[in-house]
Parts: sequence; structure tokens; C-alpha cells
Amino acid sequence: ETGVTQTPRHLVMGMTNKKSLKCEQHLGHNAMYWYKQSAKKPLELMFVYNFKEQTENNSVPSRFSPECPNSSHLFLHLHTLQPEDSALYLCASSQVIKSDTQYFGPGTRLTVL
Amino acid sequence: EDQVTQSPEALRLQEGESSSLNCSYTVSGLRGLFWYRQDPGKGPEFLFTLYSAGEEKEKERLKATLTKKESFLHITAPKPEDSATYLCAVQAGRNYGQNFVFGPGTRLSVLP
Repeated sequence: ETGVTQTPRHLVMGMTNKKSLKCEQHLGHNAMYWYKQSAKKPLELMFVYNFKEQTENNSVPSRFSPECPNSSHLFLHLHTLQPEDSALYLCASSQVIKSDTQYFGPGTRLTVL
Repeated sequence: EDQVTQSPEALRLQEGESSSLNCSYTVSGLRGLFWYRQDPGKGPEFLFTLYSAGEEKEKERLKATLTKKESFLHITAPKPEDSATYLCAVQAGRNYGQNFVFGPGTRLSVLP
């Protein structure tokens, strides 16, 4: 599935670093999502953007900061992370008018040292 | 609170041995139930969306069904390449793009 791309695919960072994850969707969708997937836990919805407006923030710590400049691009800015933030971060998109079916990218495997 | 459970947690089948995976949900105002397949280290791959009780969808060896309280993913004559984690998710509420809840998944292994 190449409709949703994510970069980088792997990222190792220290607790004092600042980095950003990038997501781009080529499906013409109008909603984008960030999920966190930790070992042995279900996918956790972090942020939702509909038509570039943030509509959901599931009590995510402020060290995670999303940005959605347009309906095709989504960023997740990271700063002063903790080791427990190590996980697979997944981006998804959907066309909310016709169907809320979400299509996922390959994910970014993040390791915080 | 919206909840999704899946059973079994893990399932090992011999090639050709048919079985079913279960997804039970407790939500108010179901708008859709989704099945995904996820391979290790990769993003979930969309399989099916079901919207109302009684609905069924098929794709190759997979068939998904929906009742008012649960969904089943039936796997007929599985092959080793069907080995993956199968995720169920529900969406509830009035607003588009919100209130998605995923289950913990069923890890399926199909042995040759």
C-alpha cells in the first residue's frame, strides 16, 4: 500500500532531542490520524485532523505536537521524550464524507534512549 | 465507555484448517466495524468495513460477519501466508473521523 507514506521508517533519539515524523497521503482524503502502537497494547488514537482542523486530542502529553498544514500532509513534532514513548507510530487517512475507513502508512519505529 | 475485545489472543492452525476469530464490542451508536490485517513491523492493511447487523463481506479465504454485539472473521482453508495479527476496530458516535477504538488483535499462525 503506497497511498500513505511515512518518513523516517526508523528513528533513534535521545531524551533531549527534537525530531519530527512526516506523513503524506496520496488518496485525496480529508482526514488524517496519528496512532501509537506499543508492544502488547491496542492501537491508541492520538490526534485527529478533519479538513486540516484538529478535532481530537486523546490526552496526549505536550511533548507530542501535531501539525497539519494541508489535507495531504501531517507531522508529529517530538521533544524531550521519555523511554516509554518508544513505539511504532502510525499515520492513517480517511475520506470522512463517504466512509470512515482508515488507510494506514507503514509506520515509524521510534526508540527513545 | 466504548470497548472492543478480541478472542482468541493467539491461534495456531494447520494449513487448510478453517476457523473463526471473534470481535466483541460495547459501543453506543455503532457507525462502522473494521477489520485489518497487520504483519510484524508494518502498518495495518484494510480488509473489510461492516455497517449494520446481518451484513457480510468476503475476500478470497476471508469472510466477515456482523451482529449487534460481535463480528466474526471466518478463515476458510487458510494458507501460511495468512499468518498475521488481525485487528478489529469500531467507530461510534455522531461525528465523522472520531471515536475509533481498536481491539488488542488475534495473532494467527498457519503452519504448513
